[in-house]
Amino acid sequence: NAGVTQTPKFQVLKTGQSMTLQCAQDMNHEYMSWYRQDPGMGLRLIHYSVGAGITDQGEVPNGYNVSRSTTEDFPLRLLSAAPSQTSVYFCASKGGIAYEQYFGPGTRLTVT
Amino acid sequence: SQQGEEDPQALSIQEGENATMNCSYKTSINNLQWYRQNSGRGLVHLILIRSNEREKHSGRLRVTLDTSKKSSSLLITASRAADTASYFCATDRWNTDKLIFGTGTRLQVFP
Repeated sequence: NAGVTQTPKFQVLKTGQSMTLQCAQDMNHEYMSWYRQDPGMGLRLIHYSVGAGITDQGEVPNGYNVSRSTTEDFPLRLLSAAPSQTSVYFCASKGGIAYEQYFGPGTRLTVT
Repeated sequence: SQQGEEDPQALSIQEGENATMNCSYKTSINNLQWYRQNSGRGLVHLILIRSNEREKHSGRLRVTLDTSKKSSSLLITASRAADTASYFCATDRWNTDKLIFGTGTRLQVFP
């Protein structure tokens, strides 16, 4: 299994541009989530999904959209990038009744 | 707001010494987990302790949980240079699907 994969690894955007961060998992996990990690802030939950067709907001959802049309994929969309969205973004998943989350390698995003 | 706060923020020790990291949280929890993050990588799950447990062991890891004080500690015994990483606690509450992370402790183990 590839586990949780994220693309791209690095991205530079200009303010106002839009883009989609991709996340996929091949473990048939129902639960998927997006976090952002900033220095000194730990990880903060952006959005999460408990299954296909179901999404909900985390701690810091503003400026981000998600959708979950399949079990495998959970893309994160930045509609109009702002410098405050410069961060490292992690996708994670977990399955069944397990609590352990599996993380992807991250996407480092810079907004200028 | 962060559910978990960890201290110290940074810890430097020699190989063979023990490392202790502490985590405090704000509300009642279902369970508490510890994760490790090597520089530039994703997080890896280490250990989970349920709210009705007080202590748990896994190899060189020992986790304690004090729900009355809303705190947990992670002890790494006989540390190795390969233990150099950031360590995060994460909590979830009953009837929610949100896992909330602390701010992390950066551990440096010198050979």
